[in-house]
Amino acid sequence: DAKTTQPNSMESNEEEPVHLPCNHSTISGTDYIHWYRQLPSQGPEYVIHGLTSNVNNRMASLAIAEDRKSSTLILHRATLRDAAVYYCILKLSDTGNQFYFGTGTSLTVIP
Amino acid sequence: NAGVMQNPRHLVRRRGQEARLRCSPMKGHSHVYWYRQLPEEGLKFMVYLQKENIIDESGMPKERFSAEFPKEGPSILRIQQVVRGDSAAYFCASSPNIVSETQYFGPGTRLLVL
Repeated sequence: DAKTTQPNSMESNEEEPVHLPCNHSTISGTDYIHWYRQLPSQGPEYVIHGLTSNVNNRMASLAIAEDRKSSTLILHRATLRDAAVYYCILKLSDTGNQFYFGTGTSLTVIP
Repeated sequence: NAGVMQNPRHLVRRRGQEARLRCSPMKGHSHVYWYRQLPEEGLKFMVYLQKENIIDESGMPKERFSAEFPKEGPSILRIQQVVRGDSAAYFCASSPNIVSETQYFGPGTRLLVL
């Protein structure tokens, strides 16, 4: 019941952009899309979130499809410190405040 | 401003013992969430609490697990009579209020049941 689908793993070369895709075809109109990342042996770290419009912050950009059934997290220049598991999460509007994590995408950055 | 704190960071218990995991939310945060992460899996929601209230415990196992968030002090996740299948990383997150879109996670407690 994770509600999101992501590739298990991706690789990127250092200093190149990375596009991490996520499908969430069952999303409803008021569900927010969140991205967190988890480095080894650490807790998840907030990356970005959005509802309908594309979002930018100092860490990344979030591109949301017009029908909201998919989104893409964009890291503009991957660094070795960006190697982590990236989780695309729906915060469901009708089930309270908790997050539903999928299995995430393990990103490897190649120097 | 200290982040979410969890202790202990590592906990070893023998089968049948009790495990107590503590979580101190960020200053000013009154909402606490507990998640469990089994090896090679994503986090699974367990319980959502506000001060002195359990709001949603739909992810908690029906037996042996309990959680509290007293008026004073940290939130406690308690596991009675632990079994090997309880071995996992347990993460706590906090948020300032119900409309906050962001949860801030602690470093986790890694429980190993021998």
